[in-house]
Amino acid sequence: SAVISQKPSRDICQRGTSLTIQCQVDSQVTMMFWYRQQPGQSLTLIATANQGSEATYESGFVIDKFPISRPNLTFSTLTVSNMSPEDSSIYLCSVEAQHGFRVQFFGPGTRLTVL
Amino acid sequence: GQQVMQIPQYQHVQEGEDFTTYCNSSTTLSNIQWYKQRPGGHPVFLIQLVKSGEVKKQKRLTFQFGEAKKNSSLHITATQTTDVGTYFCAGPRSAGNMLTFGGGTRLMVKP
Repeated sequence: SAVISQKPSRDICQRGTSLTIQCQVDSQVTMMFWYRQQPGQSLTLIATANQGSEATYESGFVIDKFPISRPNLTFSTLTVSNMSPEDSSIYLCSVEAQHGFRVQFFGPGTRLTVL
Repeated sequence: GQQVMQIPQYQHVQEGEDFTTYCNSSTTLSNIQWYKQRPGGHPVFLIQLVKSGEVKKQKRLTFQFGEAKKNSSLHITATQTTDVGTYFCAGPRSAGNMLTFGGGTRLMVKP
């Protein structure tokens, strides 16, 4: 299985500011995914990030609010822009496993609190 | 769009009791996956079921995939405190590489 790290692991931010979350994988992967998990809730997909192309956003998520970069096959960033308290969540990146059909491995997550 | 639902949302059990969570999809699935998220942790892949009617076991955990490939269940025999967490099922969308996750079942075990 892939080893995935995320930075920062947690942060407390002021409203109106932006935070960039980094996701690093120990092997090259084609697909990377960004999820949001609000407290006590399930996983909601924000976008799919492929290297060399624009990210594909899910309904309800827009690039201006959640810009994503995917400069190479092992790294991606998600920025949460102009934050409000409603953005307080856990943000998770994941990658598709090499074995198994559409199985995903998740990073440890970034716990964001917006005051 | 595709919906994946899980029941119950929460379950409290006494240690040693059995536990079952059920997963239902609005569409036929090519496979069903189960993940476990410990409190404060991230989702961890448990198992994938592909065949209609498939049953797989992992120690005290038994996973089933329905004949119509629209539902699944996870049964834990004789729960232990290490089983505490939220169990999610997930199914691939018909198009693209994405997964649709169920709402999860949070299991709490009293020692």
